[in-house]
Amino acid sequence: QMQLQESGPGLVKPTQSLFLTCSVTGFSITSGYYWIWIRQSQGKHLEWMGYMTYSGETFYNPSLKSPISITRETSKNQFFLQLNSVTTEDTAMYYCAGDPGGNWFAYWGQGTLVTVSS
Amino acid sequence: DIQMTQSPASLSASLGETVTIECRASEDIYNGLAWYQQKPGKSPQLLIYNANSLHTGVPSRFSGSGSGTQYSLKINSLQSEDVASYFCQQYYNYPPTFGGGTKLELK
Repeated sequence: QMQLQESGPGLVKPTQSLFLTCSVTGFSITSGYYWIWIRQSQGKHLEWMGYMTYSGETFYNPSLKSPISITRETSKNQFFLQLNSVTTEDTAMYYCAGDPGGNWFAYWGQGTLVTVSS
Repeated sequence: DIQMTQSPASLSASLGETVTIECRASEDIYNGLAWYQQKPGKSPQLLIYNANSLHTGVPSRFSGSGSGTQYSLKINSLQSEDVASYFCQQYYNYPPTFGGGTKLELK
């Protein structure tokens, strides 16, 4: 059974960078699937941020206000999300997810809360 | 981006009742629609994809229908464990976008 687990700093200051980790167990991130980041604001709105495929290709949401980067460490079966120059608008619960086709999202982590505050 | 509008934003229903949640897309999404259930403090869980296909393990009292720009999620014989928020999501066009959610409570 595939499981995903997010981890991150919890609190980040404005203008700093945010780096989140998604650790995957039960399935190799290089064997298949799309590996996705989604965030949910305090008001519960869900926002798709981007994905990385099992082969390492990435696609990001062009509507995001700040650029992001999704990378991976295959030896640890982890993938990552980086946001630069965060603002208070980046305060949210961040989820990683996995899915065979990348269109809908069958497997989710439990989420990691990120607060951007000085 | 395709805008997804859900209605109602909140809903109160009794045990055993049938509940319907609507989702409207800003353009035709050709059945490229999924529904999720999110319980308090938990991550969203996939219920339905391709507008009407039930995800593995989801009770048959959940069903999806619709076409074009109008879609709906129906819950037959409401159970206490169905108290949650429900979200629709389109994937016909990138980026995938979500509806604002419907909070379902027991009357």
